[in-house]
Amino acid sequence: DAGVIQSPRHEVTEMGQEVTLRCKPISGHNSLFWYRQTMMRGLELLIYFNNNVPIDDSGMPEDRFSAKMPNASFSTLKIQPSEPRDSAVYFCASSLRGQGGGNSPLHFGNGTRLTVT
Amino acid sequence: DQQVKQNSPSLSVQEGRISILNCDYTNSMFDYFLWYKKYPAEGPTFLISISSIKDKNEDGRFTVFLNKSAKHLSLHIVPSQPGDSAVYFCAARLNRDDKIIFGKGTRLHILP
Repeated sequence: DAGVIQSPRHEVTEMGQEVTLRCKPISGHNSLFWYRQTMMRGLELLIYFNNNVPIDDSGMPEDRFSAKMPNASFSTLKIQPSEPRDSAVYFCASSLRGQGGGNSPLHFGNGTRLTVT
Repeated sequence: DQQVKQNSPSLSVQEGRISILNCDYTNSMFDYFLWYKKYPAEGPTFLISISSIKDKNEDGRFTVFLNKSAKHLSLHIVPSQPGDSAVYFCAARLNRDDKIIFGKGTRLHILP
């Protein structure tokens, strides 16, 4: 039973370059979340989708960040242009939102460690 | 503006003793609370949860207590084992929009 799959595991890039992080949620899950982990701020929610539709992107730090979910099995988080302060571990998580409302617990991928030099 | 606060960055406990991890929250609209455990180079994994209508939930060695009036919850691990050494995140859910907000985490060290 495959869990949430993120790629790449590590990304090192130079300032100003475009970075694309990828996520495949657990099959059958209908909610997808992008989080960022840093020492200073812990796990921050960036954006989440329900049934492929962005519900809340208030955590996206700047216009340089964008996320898409073209279908139920794939999502991307893009940073353009990247800056050194974007260096962090980015996690994708998915869950199943029940018909009565409320989600099952989040299932996280193993994250992408991004380093921007 | 941290809505979920874990004020202890780290905690060391002797193997076999009880580990108590604390969490405070500010938003009374949270309806569900969760604890996640994270090992290095892995994503967080769900550990235990509690609804806001309860004050205790137990699962094996893990018990979560909720004090709504104090806006405080705690995770008790007893007895503590070496494999419990990890970072523990407290999280809370806003039911109206399914947001799950995490604290900064507490690193637990179980000493031999």
